[in-house]
Amino acid sequence: QVQLVESGGGVVQPGRSLGLSCAASGFTFSSFTVHWVRRAPGKGLEWVALISDDESNKYYADSVKGRFTISRDNSKNTVYLQMNSLRAEDTAVYYCARVETYYDSGGYPVEYLQHWGQGTLVTVSS
Amino acid sequence: DIQMTQSPSSLSASVGDRVTITCRASQSIGSYLNWYQHTPGKAPKLLIYAASRLQSGVPSRFSGSGSGTDFTLTITSLQPEDFATYFCQQSYSTLFTFGQGTKLDVK
Repeated sequence: QVQLVESGGGVVQPGRSLGLSCAASGFTFSSFTVHWVRRAPGKGLEWVALISDDESNKYYADSVKGRFTISRDNSKNTVYLQMNSLRAEDTAVYYCARVETYYDSGGYPVEYLQHWGQGTLVTVSS
Repeated sequence: DIQMTQSPSSLSASVGDRVTITCRASQSIGSYLNWYQHTPGKAPKLLIYAASRLQSGVPSRFSGSGSGTDFTLTITSLQPEDFATYFCQQSYSTLFTFGQGTKLDVK
């Protein structure tokens, strides 16, 4: 079955860097877009970034643009999130999620996040 | 960016109740609207996709409706495992956005 496992979380000081990994199994990894989503304590879900199946398209939320970099290695079935210049407000549980696509009656693709990992906690604190 | 606004932010209900959560988009998004359930410590769970399509394995007491800018998630006959936080999410834009969440707790 589809499985996504995040790793790399931990405690880091403000201004420092941390790298997260999302290891996938149970499906043809190179055929799917993967997203990162986070949830800070007491806050809601926040979309962070996405990377397309062939790495040709990468998009970021304004809150992380210029500081975070998403990448993938299809030979290792893994997506990465490199987080630089970390701030206290980046403290959150980070989830990776795999896109699924439904084609509506007009043939238009509706994307949704069907499969999620259990998350990895990042705490930015001095 | 497309802004998603949910109401209410919190809701108290009892087992067996019917509850409705609304989600409004800042622009028309057609049916590009999904609903998730989340409990801290667990992975978010997809409930509804494309505004009204029930994800496989999700109980039929969950339903979604709406199109354009206004959407609803309805839970009939609440069960103990339904007390959680619910989020809408638009996929009209490549940059997904979530609503701020509706926390459903026990009255």
